[in-house]
Amino acid sequence: DAGVIQSPRHEVTEMGQEVTLRCKPISGHDYLFWYRQTMMRGLELLIYFNNNVPIDDSGMPEDRFSAKMPNASFSTLKIQPSEPRDSAVYFCASSPVRRGWGNTIYFGEGSWLTVV
Amino acid sequence: AQSVTQPDIHITVSEGASLELRCNYSYGATPYLFWYVQSPGQGLQLLLKYFSGDTLVQGIKGFEAEFKRSQSSFNLRKPSVHWSDAAEYFCAVAPRAGTASKLTFGTGTRLQVTL
Repeated sequence: DAGVIQSPRHEVTEMGQEVTLRCKPISGHDYLFWYRQTMMRGLELLIYFNNNVPIDDSGMPEDRFSAKMPNASFSTLKIQPSEPRDSAVYFCASSPVRRGWGNTIYFGEGSWLTVV
Repeated sequence: AQSVTQPDIHITVSEGASLELRCNYSYGATPYLFWYVQSPGQGLQLLLKYFSGDTLVQGIKGFEAEFKRSQSSFNLRKPSVHWSDAAEYFCAVAPRAGTASKLTFGTGTRLQVTL
């Protein structure tokens, strides 16, 4: 299997610009997660989807952040407008559902965002 | 609220020496337990996981971890460290909710290996 695929791998953008991060989960996985990693806050769950439906977005920092999952094979995380404090590594991850066994979450390689 | 503690921010070991990375959790019930490794500039890779059964879990790259319920711990071990093991290691927990697993991560332990 190809694994979780994220794009772009690296992005440098100016403050105020819109940023769109993309993710293709592993085929057949029912859950998709967006995490953010910073030096100060470590790894934080931003939002997760089950069967394309957002289940918990309590980790989304503010209204400038939005996430969508229009189909089972694609998700986006958008920041508009971007700010320097949004600079971080954004990870997409996916997971199958196996009741009674728990879920193993598989991570993409991350999108490294720098806002200047 | 659930929490994961990795008390060691940074550990240095010599190549060939043994390694133990500590992880303690605070949870209402025994959660699912994971160890992930992140090499510089890379994503997170699952090393091993504990769901139930044998409390000594074998993982990839020669790592193992032991679940100790009485100590709420899930420490990661390796008998002989290789220079390529230098990375950051994250312990994580997830609830036994039967559905989605929201991972809660520890703050990580950075491993440095000296030759």
